[in-house]
Amino acid sequence: EAQVTQNPRYLITVTGKKLTVTCSQNMNHEYMSWYRQDPGLGLRQIYYSMNVEVTDKGDVPEGYKVSRKEKRNFPLILESPSPNQTSLYFCASSPPGAYEQYFGPGTRLTVT
Amino acid sequence: DQQVKQNSPSLSVQEGRISILNCDYTNSMFDYFLWYKKYPAEGPTFLISISSIKDKNEDGRFTVFLNKSAKHLSLHIVPSQPGDSAVYFCAASASDYKLSFGAGTTVTVRA
Repeated sequence: EAQVTQNPRYLITVTGKKLTVTCSQNMNHEYMSWYRQDPGLGLRQIYYSMNVEVTDKGDVPEGYKVSRKEKRNFPLILESPSPNQTSLYFCASSPPGAYEQYFGPGTRLTVT
Repeated sequence: DQQVKQNSPSLSVQEGRISILNCDYTNSMFDYFLWYKKYPAEGPTFLISISSIKDKNEDGRFTVFLNKSAKHLSLHIVPSQPGDSAVYFCAASASDYKLSFGAGTTVTVRA
């Protein structure tokens, strides 16, 4: 089944404790992206990647890192999480030349 | 500053009637528009899209209308069904495949 998977789905952590949210897609898509969803703000792009080893900042990149060493994986790294990073996170991917993005099921992160 | 705005946070409609969701944008460079649907505990799923060279696109019960001069688009769902109860996001792109999303409209279809 073609899909985008994220792990973990739920995470509660404390301020300053490094964490990684994994994202993997099995559709051989070149474009991958991370979003956060907050009430009243919709989805805002954190980082995106046009292809392996090519990443760029989205609208809200502060406090986040990403890497794209393989085509299928695009992990999101929070080196020192803070409470304002409490949010619902989505990974997405799309094939070349397509606007439609396929989203993962989401990761709900709480930072206390 | 949000470039895509959905000014109605919620919409309640009777089953069988029409649902109309509205979306406004400010960036005149946007040339492709999409609607996504999201159920609780799931990721958004693509619903329908429209290119700026068109003013209407239909797919079954879903129709999207684009008014470029007004920088406005709308999604019509006819007839509305209970399974349409979800959050709907409007999104726009300026040929760079980056999507800018609105805040979403929660649709509730009443039986």
